[in-house]
Amino acid sequence: GNSVTQMEGPVTLSEEAFLTINCTYTATGYPSLFWYVQYPGEGLQLLLKATKADDKGSNKGFEATYRKETTSFHLEKGSVQVSDSAVYFCALSSSGGYQKVTFGTGTKLQVIP
Amino acid sequence: DGGITQSPKYLFRKEGQNVTLSCEQNLNHDAMYWYRQDPGQGLRLIYYSQIVNDFQKGDIAEGYSVSREKKESFPLTVTSAQKNPTAFYLCASQPGQGQETQYFGPGTRLLVL
Repeated sequence: GNSVTQMEGPVTLSEEAFLTINCTYTATGYPSLFWYVQYPGEGLQLLLKATKADDKGSNKGFEATYRKETTSFHLEKGSVQVSDSAVYFCALSSSGGYQKVTFGTGTKLQVIP
Repeated sequence: DGGITQSPKYLFRKEGQNVTLSCEQNLNHDAMYWYRQDPGQGLRLIYYSQIVNDFQKGDIAEGYSVSREKKESFPLTVTSAQKNPTAFYLCASQPGQGQETQYFGPGTRLLVL
């Protein structure tokens, strides 16, 4: 079955540091890949997505590239801000239809001033 | 504004009691989902519904029940058979086939007295 593995947290960075959160996946076929963000006490929001190999998703300074050869979708940001403190979830959805979404366990990011 | 609403924000359950969590969406989305989130774990799928009057069990359906009498509503009942109900419950919706992004409500935190 499908699975998503993301790096353990928490990750603590100073403001303006470079961020990488690793995500690898196992899936049949050609899944779509997502990063969702969850701020404290709230639901999840879509941060970015990529639907095919070599696609790059980007939003709010965050980027992730769909790497089929390494089955990875690592999240990066060049300069984090305190407001980026949240839990980040990597997820995949098998292509087409009402496919169930498989989520990683989440990585908590804390950015300190 | 379109969106997903969940109520209540906090819910307390006594031993042996059934409680119902509300989820309403005005996005005209076809599919709706219920997830359970526990600390340090990813989201686990409880039930999902692709169309009105139809729903399927997810990975952890035991001790839960749902109904989908209207397109915009997908309430979740946590029954007394669910022995460990304390968790954060998230409702999500999805526009339609081929549209894989899920949109989440703000969540309900269920606590046992």
